[in-house]
Amino acid sequence: EPEVTQTPSHQVTQMGQEVILRCVPISNHLYFYWYRQILGQKVEFLVSFYNNEISEKSEIFDDQFSVERPDGSNFTLKIRSTKLEDSAMYFCASSEKGAGYTEAFFGQGTRLTVV
Amino acid sequence: GENVEQHPSTLSVQEGDSAVIKCTYSDSASNYFPWYKQELGKRPQLIIDIRSNVGEKKDQRIAVTLNKTAKHFSLHITETQPEDSAVYFCAARRGYSTLTFGKGTMLLVSP
Repeated sequence: EPEVTQTPSHQVTQMGQEVILRCVPISNHLYFYWYRQILGQKVEFLVSFYNNEISEKSEIFDDQFSVERPDGSNFTLKIRSTKLEDSAMYFCASSEKGAGYTEAFFGQGTRLTVV
Repeated sequence: GENVEQHPSTLSVQEGDSAVIKCTYSDSASNYFPWYKQELGKRPQLIIDIRSNVGEKKDQRIAVTLNKTAKHFSLHITETQPEDSAVYFCAARRGYSTLTFGKGTMLLVSP
């Protein structure tokens, strides 16, 4: 069964450093998403991406965040200058159509720890 | 934007009992309501979903009901088993917009 894969599974970084979280969505999917989950809290939407541009973003997704689809398979989330409060599990997701119409499949997550 | 409230935050049941988790949503235009199960340290996985043109949907021991008038939907798990223990998240969405999740319910099923 195809699945969304994320790397690395765990990333530890110094405050103020840049990190790039990587995702490989399911190959025939067109819509891509990033969510985060602070430990013990709910899953929060960050950004959605379609046709090589951001289609929607939340208040959390400020100027320190950016997304990119550098090639035909990868979808990345960059955090330019990490803060302690960026520590969370980051989930990538993809869906075949707009996620209101088909299931969004989640990756296994990248646990980001900012020290 | 959409706001989803989920209750209870923790639910403990004995194996074989039923469990019910309830969610309310604020945006009357929301039309898609999935439920995700998240086991410790793992990704959220869709277990069942319902669209606004349907009032109830069942899949073996799991069922979801939707009351559009009251803007609430519920997950029902019958004959619970220890492997049902996990955090369950409800979510709501309108059209092409994104999923808004509830805060989650930790379900503990004791043998």
